[in-house]
Amino acid sequence: EAGVTQSPTHLIKTRGQQVTLRCSPISGHTSVYWYQQALGLGLQFLLWYDEGEERNRGNFPPRFSGRQFPNYSSELNVNALELEDSALYLCASRKTGLAGGPSYNEQFFGPGTRLTVL
Amino acid sequence: DAKTTQPPSMDCAEGRAANLPCNHSTISGNEYVYWYRQIHSQGPQYIIHGLKNNETNEMASLIITEDRKSSTLILPHATLRDTAVYYCIVLPQTGANNLFFGTGTRLTVIP
Repeated sequence: EAGVTQSPTHLIKTRGQQVTLRCSPISGHTSVYWYQQALGLGLQFLLWYDEGEERNRGNFPPRFSGRQFPNYSSELNVNALELEDSALYLCASRKTGLAGGPSYNEQFFGPGTRLTVL
Repeated sequence: DAKTTQPPSMDCAEGRAANLPCNHSTISGNEYVYWYRQIHSQGPQYIIHGLKNNETNEMASLIITEDRKSSTLILPHATLRDTAVYYCIVLPQTGANNLFFGTGTRLTVIP
């Protein structure tokens, strides 16, 4: 079974530019999560998509946005890049329909996209 | 907000058991204890979870105290590949379930 995949692996942008990161969940998983891991700051929750809808959002400005497609893949868009956006962006997926069950919080992570903003 | 407290770092000799503690004194009755780890430059990996009973899988064992205010993740025979940051997370089984990773414990397995 293929795991969560992300593209690109690495990306270099300059301040003010826009970037799109992509994530394909594990087959059969309908929930997709995005996290940011900046150097020295730990993993921070960005966005949660389920069945094509945004379900929850972390404490990030509106220039961080995304969407989920009918095949459950997802994009994360970051506009007006700032230097502090340099980070590893991680995508995770989870099966849906597990609310109330012990596997509800079992997320499977991709390898991440490392974004460098110059 | 972090609902867990973990030591920032630990060392363990290769082949010995690694015991990683976690305090979660404010855990609610409907919250499970989850453990994830992150090997350098990789995405986090789910290890194990439990509610109140001890749990074991192919990766580790989880011991939860009777009052559920603390737990210990046990890697029975640590290898160099177990060197990673280990995160203890408590979450309910419904609602928004974004993971809050906190600072975790950096485990270094020493040859």
